[in-house]
Amino acid sequence: AQRVTQPEKLLSVFKGAPVELKCNYSYSGSPELFWYVQYSRQRLQLLLRHISRESIKGFTADLNKGETSFHLKKPFAQEEDSAMYYCALRGAQGGSEKLVFGKGTKLTVNP
Amino acid sequence: DTEVTQTPKHLVMGMTNKKSLKCEQHMGHRAMYWYKQKAKKPPELMFVYSYEKLSINESVPSRFSPECPNSSLLNLHLHALQPEDSALYLCASSQVKGGTDTQYFGPGTRLTVL
Repeated sequence: AQRVTQPEKLLSVFKGAPVELKCNYSYSGSPELFWYVQYSRQRLQLLLRHISRESIKGFTADLNKGETSFHLKKPFAQEEDSAMYYCALRGAQGGSEKLVFGKGTKLTVNP
Repeated sequence: DTEVTQTPKHLVMGMTNKKSLKCEQHMGHRAMYWYKQKAKKPPELMFVYSYEKLSINESVPSRFSPECPNSSLLNLHLHALQPEDSALYLCASSQVKGGTDTQYFGPGTRLTVL
C-alpha cells in the first residue's frame, strides 16, 4: 500500500531561518515523489519532483530510499513561502496513475 | 495553453438538483482526474480517466458521475448530493508517458450543497 506521512501539521519559522518540511513514505516498489504547494486562494501547484533533482524558489528535496524520506528544505525562508505544502507519492509500477498525498504541513514564515 | 481550467468557480445547489462541473485542458494530456478536497485536508482521488476511458473509481457514490467526452474535456455530473459533499472539487491532467507523470491541477470548483 502507498502511504505518505507528514508528521508536522504546522510549522512556524522566522524570515531568514532554515526550514525543513518532513515527508516519509511507504511503498514496496520504486516511487515517484513530489512536493506540491498551495498558496492562499491559489491552485495546487507542483513545486518539485524527485526525478528532476532541481531547485525551485530555493527549495530542494532529496529522495533517501534508505530512510524512505523526501524532506523539503530551504536554507533561508521568506515570508512569501507561507503556504500549505503537500508531499505526494505515485507508484511507478504497473503504470499506476494514482497520486497519494500526505496530510500537509502549513508553513508560516514570520517577519 | 498550459493551464487546466474549471467551471464554474463556485456552485451552490440543493439536494434535489442536477448540476455538472466542467474541466478543460489543451496541453495534449491523455489522463484526467477528479479530486475532492475538504477544508484543511489533502486532495482525495475520486476518478481517473486514461485515454478517455475510466481507469480508476475510488469507490465514489453513484451520485457522482464522471464523463470524458474527448481528450480535452472532463465533466462531473452531480445528482442528489448530500450536504457532506460540500467541498472543493479539483481537476488535474497529466501526460501519461512511460516514466514520470506529473499532474497539473485546475483552480477547483467550490461546491456548497444546501
